[in-house]
Amino acid sequence: DGGITQSPKYLFRKEGQNVTLSCEQNLNHDAMYWYRQDPGQGLRLIYYSQIVNDFQKGDIAEGYSVSREKKESFPLTVTSAQKNPTAFYLCASSIWSGEGELFFGEGSRLTVL
Amino acid sequence: DQQVKQNSPSLSVQEGRISILNCDYTNSMFDYFLWYKKYPAEGPTFLISISSIKDKNEDGRFTVFLNKSAKHLSLHIVPSQPGDSAVYFCAAGYGNKLVFGAGTILRVKS
Repeated sequence: DGGITQSPKYLFRKEGQNVTLSCEQNLNHDAMYWYRQDPGQGLRLIYYSQIVNDFQKGDIAEGYSVSREKKESFPLTVTSAQKNPTAFYLCASSIWSGEGELFFGEGSRLTVL
Repeated sequence: DQQVKQNSPSLSVQEGRISILNCDYTNSMFDYFLWYKKYPAEGPTFLISISSIKDKNEDGRFTVFLNKSAKHLSLHIVPSQPGDSAVYFCAAGYGNKLVFGAGTILRVKS
């Protein structure tokens, strides 16, 4: 059955370490997104990709990097430059960019110790 | 700069009654609007949408109303059920841009 898989679900990291969150989809969607959720705030867009080998910065891209080498995969790296990395990260996809109905993964909770 | 606001952080409703969740936006360029529902430790799931050419869209127990002049939309759930207890996010978009509100926690008491 189709969907979006994020891993790991929970991740702990020491300050100064980079960490990569995985996102895989088998929905054959062109567009993929990474959002961050913090308490009391809406989902904020980190990066999005409309097509393989292309991606765009969202509203809060600083301290993050992504790649889109395959249609199915859109990993997010949280670098040591990200000042407040502890958050809940959500990956999403849609048939095409601008199609508002997003399909979300179950999320990854990153805690920096 | 919060372009999409959900001013009620939480709402408590008795089972069987109507739940009304509200959302305000500031950017007049938004031309489609969506509601998502989120259970703890899960990703949001799409609930219902409306485009700016309509003022109402209905799907079963869920109805979304859009008032463009007031830049306001609302989600009505009737009758409310305990399984509706979740966080509800409204989102507004145009082109590639989709902006989410902070969410409203709905608790339906049985």
